[in-house]
Amino acid sequence: QKEVEQNSGPLSVPEGAIASLNCTYSDRVSQSFFWYRQYSGKSPELIMSIYSNGDKEDGRFTAQLNKASQYVSLLIRDSQPSDSATYLCAVNSYQVDSNYQLIWGAGTKLIIKP
Amino acid sequence: DAGVTQSPTHLIKTRGQQVTLRCSPKSGHDTVSWYQQALGQGPQFIFQYYEEEERQRGNFPDRFSGHQFPNYSSELNVNALLLGDSALYLCASSLGGANEQFFGPGTRLTVL
Repeated sequence: QKEVEQNSGPLSVPEGAIASLNCTYSDRVSQSFFWYRQYSGKSPELIMSIYSNGDKEDGRFTAQLNKASQYVSLLIRDSQPSDSATYLCAVNSYQVDSNYQLIWGAGTKLIIKP
Repeated sequence: DAGVTQSPTHLIKTRGQQVTLRCSPKSGHDTVSWYQQALGQGPQFIFQYYEEEERQRGNFPDRFSGHQFPNYSSELNVNALLLGDSALYLCASSLGGANEQFFGPGTRLTVL
């Protein structure tokens, strides 16, 4: 069973600090990695995609990928109260029927304290 | 450019009834995936449709069925509803199966 693991939290971070969210995955051949943000009662919103080892920056968000260690992380700089949400990690995984499927973590709840 | 749309927004049914949920994908997308999300859980993959066929299926019983139309819109049908089917049902569209998926607002189903 291919899996994506996230710490469920809650992760509490002071406003203005860096929030660090981590995700590990079991499928070594995964090629695409995604971070989604989900506010309570709302649907997930794509915030970052990463496909190659290393860092990818977009505004206050940085995604980091290490395929050798099978983890992907999301850093949020200058955290704001509006960043308080659940962050979902999704990884594409090769299936036996020759198709790829997104496998989802259960999410990490992030709380930014003013 | 309209994003992914879903209808209805909320739905209340009783046990044993049947329900149909609808989804229109983002313009230019050809693949629709359906997810069930219980409170406090990540999305659980139900199935994915591409070229009007079910391409992949998660671990859901046959009570869950779907359809994709030539215009790429999709329906999710659930028969013989159980209390445990109460959840947020999410539709996501993409270009291809495991590329970036964009979600609709979801349908909140309550089974009494």
